Amino acid sequence: DIVLTQSPDSLAVSLGERATINCRSSQSVPHNSNYQNYLTWYQQKPGQPPKVLIYWTSIRAFGVPDRFSGSGSGTDFTLTISGLQPEDVALYYCQQYYSPPYNFGQGTKVEIK
Amino acid sequence: EVQLVQSGGDLVQPGGSLRLSCAAFGYTVGDHYMDWVRQAPGKGLEWVGRTRHKTGGYFTEYAESVKGRFAISRDESKNSVFLQMNNLRTEDTAVYYCVRWISGNPDCWGQGTLVTVSS
Repeated sequence: DIVLTQSPDSLAVSLGERATINCRSSQSVPHNSNYQNYLTWYQQKPGQPPKVLIYWTSIRAFGVPDRFSGSGSGTDFTLTISGLQPEDVALYYCQQYYSPPYNFGQGTKVEIK
Repeated sequence: EVQLVQSGGDLVQPGGSLRLSCAAFGYTVGDHYMDWVRQAPGKGLEWVGRTRHKTGGYFTEYAESVKGRFAISRDESKNSVFLQMNNLRTEDTAVYYCVRWISGNPDCWGQGTLVTVSS
């Protein structure tokens, strides 16, 4: 099984500053023919279902602000929020979707400092 | 507008059964992969199972924790996907979500339905 470990578990960032969340895989997450890895990022707010932010490692989902970006390859992936806004306070999860079980990371809580 | 509307969550005793429904609106449910994902109270997300699209033969895959107890099915006439859960355990208590995947993008989630397993 591919196990995903996110770091940190939580972080507090000042408004307008950058937040960086890492997702490390226990084995390399393969890529498709476009060299896009099978990794996605979600945002979840209390009482709501998760919302996809990034898929194929770096493609922003429809309607997602461009302050959210994804990068990485192999076993190391990153979600960056450039210029934290109050509405970005949430839990963030990564997920690999190459091979079952399609595991999630344990989540990272982002707060305002 | 694409929408997934869920129903079926309830309080059930250990060892009992429950069937969750996920009705699709705005698209044909047979055209895309569908996942079930759950979230225990105060915990993270756990992948439960997947059904491929019609072209993929509706092939199903399950997490080890539910294999042999849970089964995913579809009804094209109802444009719906179902999660049949048997022999439920207290650790199956969670909010269950259905998720549509389109070209590697998990773009649409149901609103979630709460399953509580308790005596």
